[in-house]
Amino acid sequence: RKEVEQDPGPFNVPEGATVAFNCTYSNSASQSFFWYRQDCRKEPKLLMSVYSSGNEDGRFTAQLNRASQYISLLIRDSKLSDSATYLCVVNQNSGYSTLTFGKGTMLLVSP
Amino acid sequence: IAGITQAPTSQILAAGRRMTLRCTQDMRHNAMYWYRQDLGLGLRLIHYSNTAGTTGKGEVPDGYSVSRANTDDFPLTLASAVPSQTSVYFCATGRVAGYNEQFFGPGTRLTVL
Repeated sequence: RKEVEQDPGPFNVPEGATVAFNCTYSNSASQSFFWYRQDCRKEPKLLMSVYSSGNEDGRFTAQLNRASQYISLLIRDSKLSDSATYLCVVNQNSGYSTLTFGKGTMLLVSP
Repeated sequence: IAGITQAPTSQILAAGRRMTLRCTQDMRHNAMYWYRQDLGLGLRLIHYSNTAGTTGKGEVPDGYSVSRANTDDFPLTLASAVPSQTSVYFCATGRVAGYNEQFFGPGTRLTVL
């Protein structure tokens, strides 16, 4: 099983739609979880950190289910500017460990 | 300097040549990382440094070396470039190794012919 798995998409949605991305991780000891956004030919940028049972930031809601080793990102009222690739990122929590990045889910929001 | 800078922005390099990619931060973060990103493979960690004076190998370290002489700089060297090292290279920093979010530089687009 891959360490961090995401549906690659693309997800094609109209403006105003609600869209949800899912991510599963393999290491049950993981403690830190993040969602990053990456625009075409640009660097990844932190969108949200998910440290407990989930959190909300405006139109974005991230949720964590430790029992199922599952993270989700919900985007409400999609904007054209939300078009990007969304990366699920997990800390593997083994000493001086590093973050593991999913391959990303592409979102295309159309007028 | 604002945040993380990388140089060069892009480079075309002949196979067999030596190349150093530069990364400098002014965020005073302890940890620094080098990733490569290839289509279909996502971000893969090359080398990392938890603090100045220490380095470690990531997922794909072969053909690359790093040094961390001070907090701010973390250069990545390709001793003898090969075409499979054609990629986009991102430098990143983190406040504490492994547990906190990472912040990325703008990247270097490298083509090895």
